[in-house]
Amino acid sequence: QVQLQESGPGLVKPSETLSLTCTVSGASVSSGSYYWSWIRQPPGKGLEWIGYIYYTGSTNYNPSLKSRLTMSVDTSKNQFSLNLSSVTGADTAVYYCATMQCSSISCYLGRWGQGTLVTVSS
Amino acid sequence: QSALTQPPSVSGSPGQSVTISCTGTSSDVGIYNRVSWYQQTPGTVPKLIIYEVSNRPSGVPDRFSGSKSGNTASLTISGLQAEDEADYYCTLYTSSSTLVFGGGTKLTVL
Repeated sequence: QVQLQESGPGLVKPSETLSLTCTVSGASVSSGSYYWSWIRQPPGKGLEWIGYIYYTGSTNYNPSLKSRLTMSVDTSKNQFSLNLSSVTGADTAVYYCATMQCSSISCYLGRWGQGTLVTVSS
Repeated sequence: QSALTQPPSVSGSPGQSVTISCTGTSSDVGIYNRVSWYQQTPGTVPKLIIYEVSNRPSGVPDRFSGSKSGNTASLTISGLQAEDEADYYCTLYTSSSTLVFGGGTKLTVL
C-alpha cells in the first residue's frame, strides 16, 4: 500500500522559503493513479488544503497561497516537493502530504503522511 | 473558494447517534456529490471515512454514514463509542478542481 513521508527543516526564518519533500513508497509518482497533495494544519486549528501536482507537472493551488507556492515532482527519486516563499508566523503548521484519488464523480484524499511540524521564527 | 460551514462542536453519550452538518451552497454541495469526511483523533493523522457523500472506504465501520439534503451534507455516527471522540472535517471538491475544508467539528463522547 502507498506510504508517504514528509521531510524538511523544522524551523524556517520569516521571509525565507519553506521547502518540504514527500517520499512515496508503494506506488510510483509517475503512475498517474494519484494527484500528489499537500495539506497543512496550524497548531490547534483546522485543516487547510494547499494544492496538488500531477506527474505531468500540472498543478492546482489554493488561491490564497498561489502567489507564494511552487510544487514539483521528481520521478527519479519518487518524490514530490513543496516550496512556499516569503513565510510568516501564519505559515507555522503541521504539513501533510497525501494522495488525492479521483473517480468520475469526485476526488478525495486517501493516504496521508505522518505530517511534519514547520515553525516560522527568527 | 467555496466555504463549508460546520458546527464547532457536538456531543453525545455512548450508544447514541450524532449528526454533524456541513453546509455549502446550491452551486456546490447542492449540485454535486463531491463531499468527503475525515476523522482526526487527538494526535493522529486525518483519516478518510466517507467519500462522494455516502460511500465508506473499506475498513470503516458501518456506524459511520453520510447523506445530503439540499445544500447540506451530513455525517451520522450511530452507536457512539468512546473511540469516536475526534475532530471531523468535511471537504468539497470544487468545480475549479480545488479542495475546500470545512472548519471542523469536535465530537465529545460524554
